[in-house]
Amino acid sequence: NAGVTQTPKFQVLKTGQSMTLQCAQDMNHEYMSWYRQDPGMGLRLIHYSVGAGITDQGEVPNGYNVSRSTTEDFPLRLLSAAPSQTSVYFCASSPDLDGYTFGSGTRLTVV
Amino acid sequence: GESVGLHLPTLSVQEGDNSIINCAYSNSASDYFIWYKQESGKGPQFIIDIRSNMDKRQGQRVTVLLNKTVKHLSLQIAATQPGDSAVYFCAENMNAGGTSYGKLTFGQGTILTVHP
Repeated sequence: NAGVTQTPKFQVLKTGQSMTLQCAQDMNHEYMSWYRQDPGMGLRLIHYSVGAGITDQGEVPNGYNVSRSTTEDFPLRLLSAAPSQTSVYFCASSPDLDGYTFGSGTRLTVV
Repeated sequence: GESVGLHLPTLSVQEGDNSIINCAYSNSASDYFIWYKQESGKGPQFIIDIRSNMDKRQGQRVTVLLNKTVKHLSLQIAATQPGDSAVYFCAENMNAGGTSYGKLTFGQGTILTVHP
């Protein structure tokens, strides 16, 4: 098992550009989530999914879209990047209430 | 809104000492708690978890204590080693009929530094 794989690891965007952060897991986990981590802070939930075809907003959803067409993939889309979205983004998956597994993160800079 | 927070932002200990990292939570409906370790440049790594129907749970060199009366969570690391140096986060999850899976609320984190 590769676990939770995030791509790319690093990305620089110009303000207004769009991009998709990829997240894939090969553990057949139903539950997947996206978090952002800003310097000196804990992780904040952006969006989450409890299964294919089902997504919902977290604490800081503005500026981000998600979809869950398959169990394995949970991409995060930035439609029009802003400097405030400069952060480290983590994807996580879980089979149920237990055992959250995090990816290694995508470091995004918006200039 | 309710949140999870940490009392101490930094903790420095000598190698071999025991470490205690504290966390306060304010959501009395939270029923599942997790401690994560995050090393520089890496994602959070699961350490240990505890459900609200338990007061204590032990792992390898780590113990989590839950005091629901005062809404307090602690992580104890025995015989702390330099490799334990990292940021430690507590996180809570409220099981609202199965719809809250995947919704972790994190504390700010405690930086643990272990000196040889």
